Amino acid sequence: GESVGLHLPTLSVQEGDNSIINCAYSNSASDYFIWYKQESGKGPQFIIDIRSNMDKRQGQRVTVLLNKTVKHLSLQIAATQPGDSAVYFCAATYGNNRLAFGKGNQVVVIP
Amino acid sequence: DARVTQTPRHKVTEMGQEVTMRCQPILGHNTVFWYRQTMMQGLELLAYFRNRAPLDDSGMPKDRFSAEMPDATLATLKIQPSEPRDSAVYFCASGTGVGGYTFGSGTRLTVV
Repeated sequence: GESVGLHLPTLSVQEGDNSIINCAYSNSASDYFIWYKQESGKGPQFIIDIRSNMDKRQGQRVTVLLNKTVKHLSLQIAATQPGDSAVYFCAATYGNNRLAFGKGNQVVVIP
Repeated sequence: DARVTQTPRHKVTEMGQEVTMRCQPILGHNTVFWYRQTMMQGLELLAYFRNRAPLDDSGMPKDRFSAEMPDATLATLKIQPSEPRDSAVYFCASGTGVGGYTFGSGTRLTVV
């Protein structure tokens, strides 16, 4: 099977600072990775994705870095805002495009 | 914005009753996932379909859970009989494999 996990359960960050959330995956065959944001009472919301033929991808205020050598990816949020407070999940595909999720990392933005 | 629609949003039922959860994927999306989310286990994959064909349902307890796609606009997840340990939020997600997968708002199931 696939194991996807997050290093830190909770990240507290000052508003305006940058946030970094880390994720490890176990299946070296995974070739597609997605970061999701989940706010209380809502479904996971797509943030950004990256394929294994890339090592970096940027979106609006977010950057995903992929290190296939150590099977690690990270999500960087620039200038963190109160609206960024949520649980963040990484997900990776494995075996016929099944999508496995990590346990989640709570980000708390301090005003 | 296109969205994945799940019904009902909330369901409270007694142990032993049948529960049916429905999902309307985004038009044109050929892949549909069912996930269950609990505090202890996080997001668990229950089943998924591509072009309405079931590709994997190994995450479901086969004796009580069933998932179907009677047509491209409807995916169902049934639990019969339901048990208290089935209490969770059930999410449906759809996509094409490009640009991520879109999740619905979920069905919060409570079995008493």
